[in-house]
Amino acid sequence: EVKLLESGGGLVQPGGSLRLSCAASGFTFSTYAMSWVRQAPGKGLEWVSVITNSGDWTHYADSVKGRFTISRDNSKNMLSLQMNSLKAEDTAVYYCAKDASDYGHNCGWDCWGQGTLVTVSS
Amino acid sequence: IVLTQTPLSSPVTLGQPASISCRSSQSLVHSDGVTYLSWLHQRPGQPPRLLIYKISNRISGVPDRFSGSGAGTDFTLRISRVEAEDVGVYYCMQVMQYPLTFGGGTKVEIK
Repeated sequence: EVKLLESGGGLVQPGGSLRLSCAASGFTFSTYAMSWVRQAPGKGLEWVSVITNSGDWTHYADSVKGRFTISRDNSKNMLSLQMNSLKAEDTAVYYCAKDASDYGHNCGWDCWGQGTLVTVSS
Repeated sequence: IVLTQTPLSSPVTLGQPASISCRSSQSLVHSDGVTYLSWLHQRPGQPPRLLIYKISNRISGVPDRFSGSGAGTDFTLRISRVEAEDVGVYYCMQVMQYPLTFGGGTKVEIK
């Protein structure tokens, strides 16, 4: 069974840092691009970042560029998101998501974790 | 790319159809000729789930009462007969170019 399990969320002060992790299982992790998507409380979805299967290319939403860094360790089946200079508007549930490339490219994500809540507040 | 969904909320009777519209601020036809528009469903308290990709292709396991249609900038998700498990928020998303963007969501609830 394909599973994604996020961890690392919590309460952090504005300007602080947090590192999210996503443990993948049930599929060949190194084969798939991965993304982070977030959802502010009671709001819609916002794509945050993507990393290719090999980790050689990454891309970020303008709202997090220069502050967040996505990375992966294919030997450990782990995806990470380093978040620095956090702002109140970064408060959200952060989901890691597996690319649906089994259906072709540019389809979206066919597996999502349950999410981890990040709260930025003093 | 801005995606605008209507309606914001859709109260439906069980067994009746429902329809959600998604309009894009620009064409979602890629230079390769493919239109990269997907639909997702999010039940309360759950992560989103991919339903449909490339306008009209259902993900494995998605019931055939869900169908997608459209072209260019205008797209529609239809549920032929709404069941209780279909409640929640539906999002369209464009996967044509970064940054990937979502519509604001349409809440489907039972009357």
